Amino acid sequence: AQSVTQLDSHVSVSEGTPVLLRCNYSSSYSPSLFWYVQHPNKGLQLLLKYTSAATLVKGINGFEAEFKKSETSFHLTKPSAHMSDAAEYFCVVSRNAGNMLTFGGGTRLMVKP
Amino acid sequence: SQTIHQWPATLVQPVGSPLSLECTVEGTSNPNLYWYRQAAGRGLQLLFYSIGIDQISSEVPQNLSASRPQDRQFILSSKKLLLSDSGFYLCAWSEQGNEQYFGPGTRLTVT
Repeated sequence: AQSVTQLDSHVSVSEGTPVLLRCNYSSSYSPSLFWYVQHPNKGLQLLLKYTSAATLVKGINGFEAEFKKSETSFHLTKPSAHMSDAAEYFCVVSRNAGNMLTFGGGTRLMVKP
Repeated sequence: SQTIHQWPATLVQPVGSPLSLECTVEGTSNPNLYWYRQAAGRGLQLLFYSIGIDQISSEVPQNLSASRPQDRQFILSSKKLLLSDSGFYLCAWSEQGNEQYFGPGTRLTVT
């Protein structure tokens, strides 16, 4: 069995400051991990994925995430927030061979001017 | 490149009416296909997934059904909608063992 916990349901940052969205997972085998972003009334867009290669994964729009097996974490970061980053972010773990996904509850990121 | 389409974008239906939501994928062959529902303020719930034509698995028992009449077409249906069927419906596709790519979604309101 596997699960994903996003530790913050809401995160608020000021424009130009760093972003940290926290995610912990549990999995009985080496997982594939993903971060998706969803803007209001839109579909989900893949930001980045980890599939047992480099532990530091770079994604689109300046986001990156670090896989830490000892901490079972996959936190998403960005050095400087932009207003357009305001959205819902989902941490996701694959259930088996990447075909089935388990979603975290989501973190809503708000960016203040 | 691959693209995924969903329609309609929005739909308002009365309780007890039928439903048909369509999803099509272009630019790939024999994809895995998925239907999710996202209720207001909540995460995504997997409803159905398909690994091939006429190969559909249901994750959650409910009054919805899915069909895959063609390789790249996935349809979500209901004979009689319930108020609880309201939500944002997302279709997704993946290739074997890889990440999923989502469509733009359909906002369904049952009144």
